[in-house]
Amino acid sequence: GNSVTQMEGPVTLSEEAFLTINCTYTATGYPSLFWYVQYPGEGLQLLLKATKADDKGSNKGFEATYRKETTSFHLEKGSVQVSDSAVYFCALTDQAGTALIFGKGTTLSVSS
Amino acid sequence: DGGITQSPKYLFRKEGQNVTLSCEQNLNHDAMYWYRQDPGQGLRLIYYSQIVNDFQKGDIAEGYSVSREKKESFPLTVTSAQKNPTAFYLCASKGTGRTEAFFGQGTRLTVV
Repeated sequence: GNSVTQMEGPVTLSEEAFLTINCTYTATGYPSLFWYVQYPGEGLQLLLKATKADDKGSNKGFEATYRKETTSFHLEKGSVQVSDSAVYFCALTDQAGTALIFGKGTTLSVSS
Repeated sequence: DGGITQSPKYLFRKEGQNVTLSCEQNLNHDAMYWYRQDPGQGLRLIYYSQIVNDFQKGDIAEGYSVSREKKESFPLTVTSAQKNPTAFYLCASKGTGRTEAFFGQGTRLTVV
C-alpha cells in the first residue's frame, strides 16, 4: 500500500542554518505530494505541494521537488528562523484522492 | 471567514463514557476526514466521507463511529470500546477536484 517515510527528529539548528528534511514515499501511479506544518497546540497548515513529477513546490522560503526517479520530496530552506520551529509532516494522496497518508512528522527546533 | 471549526478544544471524559467531537466546515467541501494524532505516530486516518450520507473506515476505525447527515458537519463519536482514546483529534476537509486538505485546530481528548 501507499506509505510515507520521513527522517526522524528532532532536528536542532541555529538561526540562518540550512534545513533539509528528507521524505520518501511508496505509491502506485502518480500521487500528489505535500508538506504540512504544525505549530504547538494547533492543527496542520499546508506549506507546499507538488502534483506531478519534477514540479517544485515553494512557500515562505521553503522548497521541495517531486522526484519520481528517487520517490522523494525533500523539504529545504536556505536560512531558517526561530519562527520556523514546528513539526513538519510529509504526506501524499493517491490518484483517486481518497485521503492523505502522512509520515510520522519531524520536529524542528531553531535557536537564536 | 471560511474554515473548519472543531469544538471543544479540550475535552475530558471518564473511562467508559461515549463522547462526540464536533467538526463543522463552511468551505462547501464534499470530502471530510478524521485523523488521530499520537506522539511519534504521525496522523492516522479514522474515518472519511466523500459525500453526504456515505462514509468509509480508515486504518483505525475500531471503537469510533461517525455520521454525515449534512455536508457541513462530520461528528466523530469515541465509544467506550476504544481502548486508548486519549489523543489529539484532527478534522479535515477537501474540495472536489482539489488535492490539498484543510485542517481544523484539533480537539485534545483526555479520558481519565
